[in-house]
Amino acid sequence: DVKVTQSSRYLVKRTGEKVFLECVQDMDHENMFWYRQDPGLGLRLIYFSYDVKMKEKGDIPEGYSVSREKKERFSLILESASTNQTSMYLCASRTPLGYTFGSGTRLTVV
Amino acid sequence: GQQVMQIPQYQHVQEGEDFTTYCNSSTTLSNIQWYKQRPGGHPVFLIQLVKSGEVKKQKRLTFQFGEAKKNSSLHITATQTTDVGTYFCAGRNAGNNRKLIWGLGTSLAVNP
Repeated sequence: DVKVTQSSRYLVKRTGEKVFLECVQDMDHENMFWYRQDPGLGLRLIYFSYDVKMKEKGDIPEGYSVSREKKERFSLILESASTNQTSMYLCASRTPLGYTFGSGTRLTVV
Repeated sequence: GQQVMQIPQYQHVQEGEDFTTYCNSSTTLSNIQWYKQRPGGHPVFLIQLVKSGEVKKQKRLTFQFGEAKKNSSLHITATQTTDVGTYFCAGRNAGNNRKLIWGLGTSLAVNP
């Protein structure tokens, strides 16, 4: 089974901090995605990557950036965390039969 | 932009009753996927439908893809408490298949 691992389950950061969310997949997949999930808003795509060093903006990229230096790792960066970025962040890897998600990182910005 | 509308937003049933959630796309889809997210969990892939009019079954779950490939449904027969969660559909645009377009999900609660 494909495994997608997110480094932190819960994270509390201060406003203005630079925040790194890490995601690693173990199946050599090319396509990886970062979503945020908020009540009533479903899953919203922040950024995705279809190859090493390749990235593309999703629907809500503002305030975020990403890094894909190695195929297995896709990092989400909050350049200067703000309280409206408090959310559940989900990383996903695309398999031939659908997406496999990590367990999520619940980020609270105070 | 392209949208996938999913209804209902919430459904509360007695254990043993049936449940159906529907997805409708504004554009033709190349395929549609269904996911289940348990409370406190992450979305888990259930199935993918590709062909026009396709019907697939997984035990008590029946998935359908419309003839025009613009709508889909998930039907659960005789719900159980283990069916509790949010069910999402996600479609891939026939013209641009880089991204999945997600419905907002249907949250299912089951009374024992």
